Amino acid sequence: EVQLVESGGGLVQPGRSLKLSCVASGFTFNNYWMTWIRQAPGKGLEWVASITNTGGSTYYPDSVKGRFTISRDNAKSTLYLQMNSLRSEDTATYYCTRGLQWFDYWGQGVMVTVSS
Amino acid sequence: DIQMTQSPSLLSASVGDRVTLSCKASQSIYNSLAWYQQKLGEAPKLLIYDANSLQTGIPSRFSGSGSGTDYTLTISSLQPEDVATYFCQKYYSGYTFGAGTKLELK
Repeated sequence: EVQLVESGGGLVQPGRSLKLSCVASGFTFNNYWMTWIRQAPGKGLEWVASITNTGGSTYYPDSVKGRFTISRDNAKSTLYLQMNSLRSEDTATYYCTRGLQWFDYWGQGVMVTVSS
Repeated sequence: DIQMTQSPSLLSASVGDRVTLSCKASQSIYNSLAWYQQKLGEAPKLLIYDANSLQTGIPSRFSGSGSGTDYTLTISSLQPEDVATYFCQKYYSGYTFGAGTKLELK
């Protein structure tokens, strides 16, 4: 059974940093692109970052480029999201997902609240 | 940037109804479209990819159609467990989600 389990969320002040983790199981992790998607409270879904199966290339929208870094450790089947210079508009539930084009498996999500 | 517009934003229907949800792109996305179902308090679930391919394990009452800029998700006979918000997502030239259609029982 495919499982994606996120951790690392919480309350953080504006301008500070936070690192999310996602442990994958039930599939060959190093065969798949992985993606972070977020959802602000009561809002829609927003793509945050993607990484190739080898970790050799990463992709970001303008809203987080230069502040967020996606990475992976294939030996540990773990995906990461380093979030720096956090803003109030980054407040959201962050989902770890599997996929290159569509996203077929999602974690349960981890809440990040940016507030003073 | 290609914008994705879903309509209606809220839809009320009865059990057994045929339900149609719309997703329109601001330019052609060449069938690069997925549909997701999100129930309250849960993560989204993939229903359809490549505009009309049913994800494994999804009931056959769900179907997708369309081409170019206009796409549709159809539920052939609405069931109580289908109450959810439905999102479309394009993956041609980047990833963008629609704002969602909330489906409720009448």
